[in-house]
Amino acid sequence: AQKITQTQPGMFVQEKEAVTLDCTYDTSDPSYGLFWYKQPSSGEMIFLIYQGSYDQQNATEGRYSLNFQKARKSANLVISASQLGDSAMYFCASRDTGGGNKLTFGTGTQLKVEL
Amino acid sequence: KAGVTQTPRYLIKTRGQQVTLSCSPISGHRSVSWYQQTPGQGLQFLFEYFSETQRNKGNFPGRFSGRQFSNSRSEMNVSTLELGDSALYLCASSLVGDLGDGYTFGSGTRLTVV
Repeated sequence: AQKITQTQPGMFVQEKEAVTLDCTYDTSDPSYGLFWYKQPSSGEMIFLIYQGSYDQQNATEGRYSLNFQKARKSANLVISASQLGDSAMYFCASRDTGGGNKLTFGTGTQLKVEL
Repeated sequence: KAGVTQTPRYLIKTRGQQVTLSCSPISGHRSVSWYQQTPGQGLQFLFEYFSETQRNKGNFPGRFSGRQFSNSRSEMNVSTLELGDSALYLCASSLVGDLGDGYTFGSGTRLTVV
């Protein structure tokens, strides 16, 4: 069974600074995908970034990058140049071929961007 | 293009009643999944439908059921509502549900059971 661990319940960052949100995963399947989602207070889950287990390079999407360390089973999200609008809940999720077509989510990290 | 549409956005029901939630996926997406989000249990997978067939099911009681129509729209039904069913119910669609497929979520239906 898959398991996602997010050890930071809450994080604060100053505007324009970079922040790293931690995520570790546990899966025995060699083929898997890792996702990060943002959930503002409105409730909608917004896709940010995806990393496949066989991808050689770390994924990047604009200000978001994923620090993928396969041997450590970690997939940390880095947000550069934080903005006030980045304040939200962030979820790490995984999917593997053995678990069927479902996402397994971590408990999330509440990020607050301050002036 | 239109995103994933969930209706209604908010719902208040009484214990013992039943409820039906609707999800219209992105045009062309054939896989629809449902998730329940509560403060205590976090995000939990309910079930996934693909081409009108349930392809995967989470660990929820039989009171939770769903279906998918030929146009890929999906409904989920909860019968004999309990207070613990109060949650945000999120629907997600993807092209075919392959490993690398992105999931697009709707804004959710917030269900309150009183």
